[in-house]
Amino acid sequence: DSGVTQTPKHLITATGQRVTLRCSPRSGDLSVYWYQQSLDQGLQFLIQYYNGEERAKGNILERFSAQQFPDLHSELNLSSLELGDSALYFCASSVGDPGSGYGYTFGSGTRLTVV
Amino acid sequence: AQSVTQLDSQVPVFEEAPVELRCNYSSSVSVYLFWYVQYPNQGLQLLLKYLSGSTLVKGINGFEAEFNKSQTSFHLRKPSVHISDTAEYFCAVSENNAGNMLTFGGGTRLMVKP
Repeated sequence: DSGVTQTPKHLITATGQRVTLRCSPRSGDLSVYWYQQSLDQGLQFLIQYYNGEERAKGNILERFSAQQFPDLHSELNLSSLELGDSALYFCASSVGDPGSGYGYTFGSGTRLTVV
Repeated sequence: AQSVTQLDSQVPVFEEAPVELRCNYSSSVSVYLFWYVQYPNQGLQLLLKYLSGSTLVKGINGFEAEFNKSQTSFHLRKPSVHISDTAEYFCAVSENNAGNMLTFGGGTRLMVKP
């Protein structure tokens, strides 16, 4: 158990629907990162939150949004889902920035299948 | 912006043989480098990281990596692999003192055969 909890583990939904993925960071970690892992694109950075504030944005589609709540858990909202959104979505947390030498602790991921 | 290239998408190797997984990075500034491992149906786990100092870094499970600034490389090695090392390995980079997120390479699937 890495200490980062992601729910649900699996999600199957239809095109056009909206889903919410949830992440609880490791105790003491203020940063939460969301990544999308697909076979053709590899690990793509989506967005980072630090202590409730958006800190960095990557290749996140406008149909996707995220937030971090006062208790530091984070949610990634995916709407108007398309078949191409099927992927493994990872949440990671860290106590500080990788640029300061801190690595991430990853959750086990949410596998999203859009049918 | 930084980028990471993992030159081999798959590396098959026999059990107890040595292995090297290659990683090259590109950045205009100093970087920190990381190797992560992903076992089937699991999240990524940190194997080792290079921040500064000795260019040879030792990690968990007998892995080590060598930072080569002139060749902008950070190759991962293990002298003798086990079946249990079968996994996907990711190299990642962050800009030193400025990077607030990791950029990952495309991954290398290590397949250890009996």
